[in-house]
Amino acid sequence: AQSVTQLDSQVPVFEEAPVELRCNYSSSVSVYLFWYVQYPNQGLQLLLKYLSGSTLVESINGFEAEFNKSQTSFHLRKPSVHISDTAEYFCAVEWDTGNQFYFGTGTSLTVIP
Amino acid sequence: DTGVSQDPRHKITKRGQNVTFRCDPISEHNRLYWYRQTLGQGPEFLTYFQNEAQLEKSRLLSDRFSAERPKGSFSTLEIQRTEQGDSAMYLCASSGQSGQGAYEQYFGPGTRLTVT
Repeated sequence: AQSVTQLDSQVPVFEEAPVELRCNYSSSVSVYLFWYVQYPNQGLQLLLKYLSGSTLVESINGFEAEFNKSQTSFHLRKPSVHISDTAEYFCAVEWDTGNQFYFGTGTSLTVIP
Repeated sequence: DTGVSQDPRHKITKRGQNVTFRCDPISEHNRLYWYRQTLGQGPEFLTYFQNEAQLEKSRLLSDRFSAERPKGSFSTLEIQRTEQGDSAMYLCASSGQSGQGAYEQYFGPGTRLTVT
């Protein structure tokens, strides 16, 4: 069965420090990979995506994620976090068979001033 | 606003009552999805439509749940005889196929259901 694992349920980090949120998925067949962010009392927003091409993808607010096929991972990183980055982050995988997304259980990022 | 909208944003109901939620997708998107999200969990897939056809349903979708998308535009999700375990955030998403074959999903703000 396909699954998505986010091992870290909560990640506290000081402002301006780097952060990595981990995501692993169960199968190495063709996949499309996404990170979504959910701010308090808001809906899920697409943060970045890997569809094909370069394995390193970036968002407009400084996050990046790297697709690693051999390790079936898509970890999210930011070199220097802001208070405004405090949110819940969800990794999602769409297998090439299509039809639905599988989400991880989420990682709550708390940036400490 | 051209994003996905959901109505209502919050619903409080008594156990045993029926509730209906509406989702209006992004207009050019042909796929529409429903998810349920409980506290501390990621969204769980319930069902999806391609145009007006309901193509897949999760086993989470018991007989008390029904979804429709009659004209291939907006969709409704109805829960009959609500139970306290139905309390959750119900998310709607829509998508159109990207050039690379993926269906990127865009989410609405959700409807938070509380069953008392």
